[in-house]
Amino acid sequence: DTGVSQDPRHKITKRGQNVTFRCDPISEHNRLYWYRQTLGQGPEFLTYFQNEAQLEKSRLLSDRFSAERPKGSFSTLEIQRTEQGDSAMYLCASSSPVRHTEAFFGQGTRLTVV
Amino acid sequence: DAKTTQPNSMESNEEEPVHLPCNHSTISGTDYIHWYRQLPSQGPEYVIHGLTSNVNNRMASLAIAEDRKSSTLILHRATLRDAAVYYCILRASGSGGYQKVTFGTGTKLQVIP
Repeated sequence: DTGVSQDPRHKITKRGQNVTFRCDPISEHNRLYWYRQTLGQGPEFLTYFQNEAQLEKSRLLSDRFSAERPKGSFSTLEIQRTEQGDSAMYLCASSSPVRHTEAFFGQGTRLTVV
Repeated sequence: DAKTTQPNSMESNEEEPVHLPCNHSTISGTDYIHWYRQLPSQGPEYVIHGLTSNVNNRMASLAIAEDRKSSTLILHRATLRDAAVYYCILRASGSGGYQKVTFGTGTKLQVIP
Protein backbone atom coordinates (compact mmCIF):
# COMPACT_ATOMS: atom_id res chain seq x y z
CA ASP A 1 0.00 0.00 0.00
CA THR A 2 1.82 3.05 -1.28
CA GLY A 3 -0.93 5.56 -0.66
CA VAL A 4 -2.70 7.77 -3.17
CA SER A 5 -0.33 8.89 -5.90
CA GLN A 6 -0.78 11.97 -8.07
CA ASP A 7 1.17 12.96 -11.14
CA PRO A 8 2.59 15.43 -11.88
CA ARG A 9 3.25 17.19 -8.58
CA HIS A 10 3.64 20.54 -10.31
CA LYS A 11 2.47 21.83 -13.67
CA ILE A 12 3.02 25.24 -15.21
CA THR A 13 1.07 25.91 -18.36
CA LYS A 14 0.22 28.82 -20.59
CA ARG A 15 -3.31 30.15 -20.63
CA GLY A 16 -5.37 28.36 -23.25
CA GLN A 17 -3.46 25.10 -23.11
CA ASN A 18 -4.97 21.78 -22.06
CA VAL A 19 -3.63 19.88 -19.06
CA THR A 20 -4.27 16.39 -17.71
CA PHE A 21 -3.60 15.10 -14.21
CA ARG A 22 -3.51 11.52 -13.07
CA CYS A 23 -4.50 9.95 -9.77
CA ASP A 24 -3.72 6.41 -8.68
CA PRO A 25 -5.83 5.54 -5.65
CA ILE A 26 -5.01 2.94 -3.07
CA SER A 27 -5.67 -0.43 -4.67
CA GLU A 28 -9.15 -1.83 -4.06
CA HIS A 29 -10.48 1.57 -3.02
CA ASN A 30 -13.69 1.87 -5.00
CA ARG A 31 -14.43 5.51 -4.25
CA LEU A 32 -12.35 8.28 -5.76
CA TYR A 33 -12.75 12.03 -5.26
CA TRP A 34 -11.27 15.11 -6.90
CA TYR A 35 -10.97 18.39 -5.02
CA ARG A 36 -9.57 21.80 -5.79
CA GLN A 37 -7.81 23.92 -3.19
CA THR A 38 -6.81 27.55 -3.57
CA LEU A 39 -4.45 29.39 -1.27
CA GLY A 40 -5.83 29.87 2.23
CA GLN A 41 -8.95 27.82 1.56
CA GLY A 42 -9.94 24.28 2.33
CA PRO A 43 -10.43 21.68 -0.39
CA GLU A 44 -13.57 22.08 -2.50
CA PHE A 45 -15.31 19.04 -3.97
CA LEU A 46 -15.19 18.68 -7.76
CA THR A 47 -16.34 15.18 -8.62
CA TYR A 48 -16.75 11.64 -7.29
CA PHE A 49 -16.47 8.14 -8.76
CA GLN A 50 -17.66 4.86 -7.41
CA ASN A 51 -15.75 2.27 -9.39
CA GLU A 52 -15.87 3.54 -12.98
CA ALA A 53 -19.11 5.47 -12.61
CA GLN A 54 -18.98 9.21 -12.14
CA LEU A 55 -21.80 9.71 -9.68
CA GLU A 56 -21.63 13.36 -8.83
CA LYS A 57 -20.18 16.58 -10.15
CA SER A 58 -19.96 19.93 -8.41
CA ARG A 59 -21.14 23.07 -10.16
CA LEU A 60 -17.49 24.15 -9.84
CA LEU A 61 -16.75 21.62 -12.57
CA SER A 62 -17.31 23.74 -15.67
CA ASP A 63 -17.59 22.38 -19.19
CA ARG A 64 -13.84 22.79 -19.59
CA PHE A 65 -13.25 20.14 -16.94
CA SER A 66 -13.65 16.43 -17.51
CA ALA A 67 -12.77 13.48 -15.35
CA GLU A 68 -12.61 9.78 -16.13
CA ARG A 69 -11.95 6.55 -14.34
CA PRO A 70 -12.13 4.08 -17.22
CA LYS A 71 -11.44 0.81 -15.45
CA GLY A 72 -12.34 1.76 -11.94
CA SER A 73 -8.69 2.11 -11.00
CA PHE A 74 -6.73 5.26 -11.86
CA SER A 75 -8.47 8.50 -12.75
CA THR A 76 -7.61 11.48 -14.92
CA LEU A 77 -8.75 15.08 -14.64
CA GLU A 78 -8.44 17.18 -17.78
CA ILE A 79 -8.80 20.94 -18.00
CA GLN A 80 -9.24 22.35 -21.47
CA ARG A 81 -8.40 25.93 -22.46
CA THR A 82 -6.92 26.73 -19.07
CA GLU A 83 -7.53 30.11 -17.48
CA GLN A 84 -5.57 31.90 -14.79
CA GLY A 85 -8.42 31.22 -12.37
CA ASP A 86 -7.72 27.51 -12.71
CA SER A 87 -4.45 27.94 -10.83
CA ALA A 88 -4.85 25.83 -7.70
CA MET A 89 -3.88 22.60 -6.00
CA TYR A 90 -5.85 19.64 -7.35
CA LEU A 91 -6.24 16.90 -4.78
CA CYS A 92 -7.36 13.33 -5.25
CA ALA A 93 -8.67 11.12 -2.46
CA SER A 94 -9.88 7.54 -2.25
CA SER A 95 -11.76 5.47 0.27
CA SER A 96 -12.32 1.79 0.88
CA PRO A 97 -15.65 0.00 0.44
CA VAL A 98 -15.07 -1.53 3.86
CA ARG A 99 -13.92 1.54 5.74
CA HIS A 100 -15.39 4.47 3.84
CA THR A 101 -15.29 6.67 6.90
CA GLU A 102 -11.71 7.63 6.18
CA ALA A 103 -10.54 9.27 2.98
CA PHE A 104 -6.90 9.05 1.97
CA PHE A 105 -5.56 12.05 0.10
CA GLY A 106 -2.71 12.32 -2.35
CA GLN A 107 -0.16 15.11 -2.17
CA GLY A 108 -1.88 16.96 -4.96
CA THR A 109 -0.93 18.53 -8.28
CA ARG A 110 -0.19 22.23 -8.12
CA LEU A 111 -1.26 23.94 -11.34
CA THR A 112 -0.01 27.38 -12.28
CA VAL A 113 -1.51 29.03 -15.35
CA VAL A 114 0.59 31.88 -16.71
CA ASP B 1 -25.13 21.02 3.69
CA ALA B 2 -24.25 21.52 7.35
CA LYS B 3 -21.31 23.84 7.93
CA THR B 4 -18.73 24.17 10.65
CA THR B 5 -17.11 27.22 12.23
CA GLN B 6 -13.55 27.21 13.51
CA PRO B 7 -11.13 29.91 14.70
CA ASN B 8 -8.75 30.95 11.95
CA SER B 9 -5.63 30.36 14.01
CA MET B 10 -4.36 29.17 17.36
CA GLU B 11 -1.01 28.96 19.09
CA SER B 12 0.32 26.40 21.49
CA ASN B 13 3.55 25.83 23.30
CA GLU B 14 5.36 22.62 22.54
CA GLU B 15 4.47 19.72 24.83
CA GLU B 16 1.37 21.54 26.08
CA PRO B 17 -2.17 20.26 25.43
CA VAL B 18 -4.14 21.91 22.64
CA HIS B 19 -7.91 22.22 22.43
CA LEU B 20 -9.20 23.03 18.96
CA PRO B 21 -12.89 24.03 18.98
CA CYS B 22 -15.49 23.56 16.26
CA ASN B 23 -19.09 24.75 16.12
CA HIS B 24 -21.64 22.89 14.04
CA SER B 25 -24.98 24.16 15.22
CA THR B 26 -26.89 22.87 12.16
CA ILE B 27 -25.56 19.33 12.41
CA SER B 28 -27.96 16.59 11.40
CA GLY B 29 -28.66 13.75 13.79
CA THR B 30 -26.95 11.33 11.40
CA ASP B 31 -23.84 13.38 10.62
CA TYR B 32 -20.45 12.16 11.76
CA ILE B 33 -17.90 14.72 12.97
CA HIS B 34 -14.54 14.25 11.32
CA TRP B 35 -11.24 15.98 11.85
CA TYR B 36 -8.51 16.14 9.24
CA ARG B 37 -5.25 18.00 9.28
CA GLN B 38 -3.11 19.31 6.45
CA LEU B 39 0.61 19.78 6.85
CA PRO B 40 2.36 22.22 4.51
CA SER B 41 2.58 20.92 0.93
CA GLN B 42 0.64 17.76 1.81
CA GLY B 43 -2.88 16.53 1.25
CA PRO B 44 -5.24 16.36 4.23
CA GLU B 45 -4.75 13.50 6.66
CA TYR B 46 -7.45 11.81 8.73
CA VAL B 47 -7.17 12.44 12.46
CA ILE B 48 -10.32 11.17 14.17
CA HIS B 49 -14.07 10.98 13.89
CA GLY B 50 -17.09 10.42 16.12
CA LEU B 51 -20.87 10.50 16.25
CA THR B 52 -22.03 11.05 19.83
CA SER B 53 -19.51 9.65 22.28
CA ASN B 54 -16.04 10.96 22.96
CA VAL B 55 -13.35 9.13 21.02
CA ASN B 56 -9.66 8.50 21.55
CA ASN B 57 -6.99 7.26 19.18
CA ARG B 58 -3.23 7.38 19.03
CA MET B 59 -3.25 10.83 17.46
CA ALA B 60 -5.86 12.71 19.43
CA SER B 61 -9.09 12.77 21.40
CA LEU B 62 -12.44 14.08 20.27
CA ALA B 63 -14.85 15.54 22.78
CA ILE B 64 -18.41 15.97 21.48
CA ALA B 65 -20.91 18.19 23.28
CA GLU B 66 -24.06 16.51 24.53
CA ASP B 67 -26.23 18.46 22.08
CA ARG B 68 -23.67 17.73 19.29
CA LYS B 69 -23.60 21.38 18.28
CA SER B 70 -19.91 21.66 19.03
CA SER B 71 -16.84 19.49 19.40
CA THR B 72 -13.23 19.84 20.48
CA LEU B 73 -10.17 18.13 19.10
CA ILE B 74 -7.61 17.56 21.82
CA LEU B 75 -3.94 17.06 21.15
CA HIS B 76 -2.55 15.93 24.46
CA ARG B 77 1.03 17.10 23.95
CA ALA B 78 1.65 19.32 20.97
CA THR B 79 4.83 18.73 19.02
CA LEU B 80 6.34 20.79 16.22
CA ARG B 81 5.08 18.14 13.80
CA ASP B 82 1.52 18.99 14.82
CA ALA B 83 1.77 22.43 13.22
CA ALA B 84 -0.85 22.23 10.49
CA VAL B 85 -4.28 23.39 9.39
CA TYR B 86 -6.97 21.41 11.19
CA TYR B 87 -10.33 20.94 9.51
CA CYS B 88 -13.54 19.98 11.25
CA ILE B 89 -16.04 18.53 8.76
CA LEU B 90 -19.40 16.80 8.85
CA ARG B 91 -20.09 13.65 6.86
CA ALA B 92 -23.43 11.95 6.40
CA SER B 93 -23.65 8.51 7.97
CA GLY B 94 -24.69 5.33 6.24
CA SER B 95 -23.14 5.10 2.80
CA GLY B 96 -22.43 8.80 2.73
CA GLY B 97 -19.05 9.60 1.31
CA TYR B 98 -17.03 12.75 1.01
CA GLN B 99 -18.85 14.35 -1.90
CA LYS B 100 -20.99 16.58 0.27
CA VAL B 101 -18.49 17.59 2.93
CA THR B 102 -17.40 21.20 3.30
CA PHE B 103 -13.86 21.72 4.54
CA GLY B 104 -14.05 25.43 5.27
CA THR B 105 -10.85 27.31 6.05
CA GLY B 106 -9.87 25.34 9.16
CA THR B 107 -7.71 26.39 12.10
CA LYS B 108 -4.04 27.00 11.51
CA LEU B 109 -2.18 25.68 14.53
CA GLN B 110 1.19 27.16 15.32
CA VAL B 111 3.35 25.28 17.82
CA ILE B 112 5.95 27.37 19.60
CA PRO B 113 9.16 25.63 20.68
